[in-house]
Amino acid sequence: GQQLNQSPQSMFIQEGEDVSMNCTSSSIFNTWLWYKQDPGEGPVLLIALYKAGELTSNGRLTAQFGITRKDSFLNISASIPSDVGIYFCAGFYTGANSKLTFGKGITLSVRP
Amino acid sequence: NAGVMQNPRHLVRRRGQEARLRCSPMKGHSHVYWYRQLPEEGLKFMVYLQKENIIDESGMPKERFSAEFPKEGPSILRIQQVVRGDSAAYFCASSPGLGGEQYFGPGTRLTVT
Repeated sequence: GQQLNQSPQSMFIQEGEDVSMNCTSSSIFNTWLWYKQDPGEGPVLLIALYKAGELTSNGRLTAQFGITRKDSFLNISASIPSDVGIYFCAGFYTGANSKLTFGKGITLSVRP
Repeated sequence: NAGVMQNPRHLVRRRGQEARLRCSPMKGHSHVYWYRQLPEEGLKFMVYLQKENIIDESGMPKERFSAEFPKEGPSILRIQQVVRGDSAAYFCASSPGLGGEQYFGPGTRLTVT
């Protein structure tokens, strides 16, 4: 089955620093989505990517859809304390078994 | 424009009881998905429904679990004869079409005692 790999499991950065997270897959996807989840809440959609090579920004967040369609990255610039949370990548392939596949997430901690 | 709504937010059931989880999709969304999340894990797909139809239930256990999305009213995920291993957070998401962005509700945290 399709699997998404996110590593490391946790990241610790200083407030003001930039951070980059990668997501890789064993198979190709048509859509990449990045979500953030706070404790006790549901995932919130940050960025959606629909085309290989696409680079999309949302405020301090930038994400790219890899050319091979098997990877994506999310970059957060000038981190602030409220960036703390779990960041999930998710991929979707329109086919016989169309479903959203999630990575296990990266827990981001921001030191003030 | 209200987001995806789920209730209850927390549900405690004894082993052997039934759990009913409700999900109202975003206005204008006719596609509903249910996911399950264990601690420190990603979300695992369970079932995908459109109004009155189950499209894909490949992630749902064959026994004790069922889902519906009636013509009127919320989508329901039903777990019969709950066991301790059913304790998890259950999330519902909705989308306006297949393959697009999915928007999640706040989840229902089920605890089986």
